[in-house]
This record gives sequence, C-alpha cells and structure tokens, in this order.
Amino acid sequence: EVQLVESGGGLVQPGRSLRLSCAASGFTFDDYAMHWVRQAPGKGLEWVSGISWNSGSIGYADSVKGRFTISRDNAKNSLYLQMNSLRAEDTALYYCAKALGPQSIAALNYWGQGTLVTVSS
Amino acid sequence: SYVLTQPPSVSVAPGQTARITCGGNNIGSKSVHWYQQKPGQAPVLVVYDDSDRPSGIPERFSGSNSGNTATLTISRVEAGDEADYYCQVWDSSSDHHVFGTGTKVTVL
Repeated sequence: EVQLVESGGGLVQPGRSLRLSCAASGFTFDDYAMHWVRQAPGKGLEWVSGISWNSGSIGYADSVKGRFTISRDNAKNSLYLQMNSLRAEDTALYYCAKALGPQSIAALNYWGQGTLVTVSS
Repeated sequence: SYVLTQPPSVSVAPGQTARITCGGNNIGSKSVHWYQQKPGQAPVLVVYDDSDRPSGIPERFSGSNSGNTATLTISRVEAGDEADYYCQVWDSSSDHHVFGTGTKVTVL
C-alpha cells in the first residue's frame, strides 16, 4: 500500500524558515517524480514544486521560486521542501504527491494527508 | 501563465449525468487530469491523460478533451460523488503543473 506521510508543518513568523518532509513507502521511491501541492484555507489547489526521479529536473511555481527548495533522498525514501522567507500568503495545507511516472509531467496518483503551515506573527 | 477555467458549481440529481468543463487555450493539445476532493480529505485522481481511469475508479467517471475544452463526465451520479473537482495540465512552456479553479458538485 502506497503511503505518503508529511511532517514539519507548524506556526512560524513571517520571514522565518521551515522544512517539510514526506516519508514514502509501499512503492519504489526512486522510480517516480514527486511533488508538493498546497491548499490555502477554503481555496483551491496550487502546485508548488516538483522533482524528477533522479533530481535531474526540478520546477517551482513563480510564487515560491527563489524562496523554496525541493529535494529528495532516494536512499531514505524521503522528499523535502525547504521554505525560506515565509510570507502570510504561504499559509496552507501542504500535500506531498507521487507522480504516475519518473518525470514531473505525469499526473499525481497518490497524495498524503498534508501538513499545515501557518505563517503569522 | 496558462489558465484553466472551471464553473464554480454544478448541481445534479441522483442518477443523472454531471458534466464538468475545464477551459484553456488549445487544451486539446495537452493531457488533462482530473481530481476529486471531498471535505477534509486529500485529492484523489479520477481520470488521467484525458480519459484513462486509475484502478478502483468506477467506469461512471469518464473524460474527454478537444479544442479549448476538456470535460469530466460523471454518469449515474450518486450522493457519494458530492465533492470538489479539479482539472490539471502540465504547461510545457513554463514547466509547471497548473490546476483549474475547481468545481463544487452538489447532488440534489
């Protein structure tokens, strides 16, 4: 059974940093691209960042480019999102999602339950 | 950036057919994916690559894509289909995934 478990969310002040983690199990992690998708309270889905199976292709939404860094450790079956210079508008539930294939263009066929990030003073 | 437009809401009686549209410039040239999200739950992929269904998704869910509009069709709607639905594409010009604005399906 595929499982994606996010952690690392919490309350943080504007301008500070936070690192999210996603522990994956139930599939061959290094065969698939992975993504972070967020959802602000009461709002729709917003793609944040994606990384191919071997970290060779990485992309970011314009809203987070230069502030967020995605990475993965295939030996640990883990995905990460380093979030710096956080803003109030980054407040959201952050989902880790698995792609259907090794490249980032594929659909997202498994999602975690999310970790909540709240940016407020 | 690429924009996907969905109607905010669709209402349908049980047993009838719901059609949810997703509009985008020449979307017919892209692969469209659809997600279902029930309150308090993570999204679930219901259709990918325009019209394929993941295992476990009922045949009642189908998709099509042509021109400037993609459509998710839910046949023989059930109360359990009440949810928010999002379309999604990969925008190759920006190397971004793009989600639609979302449609709330209400079963009357």
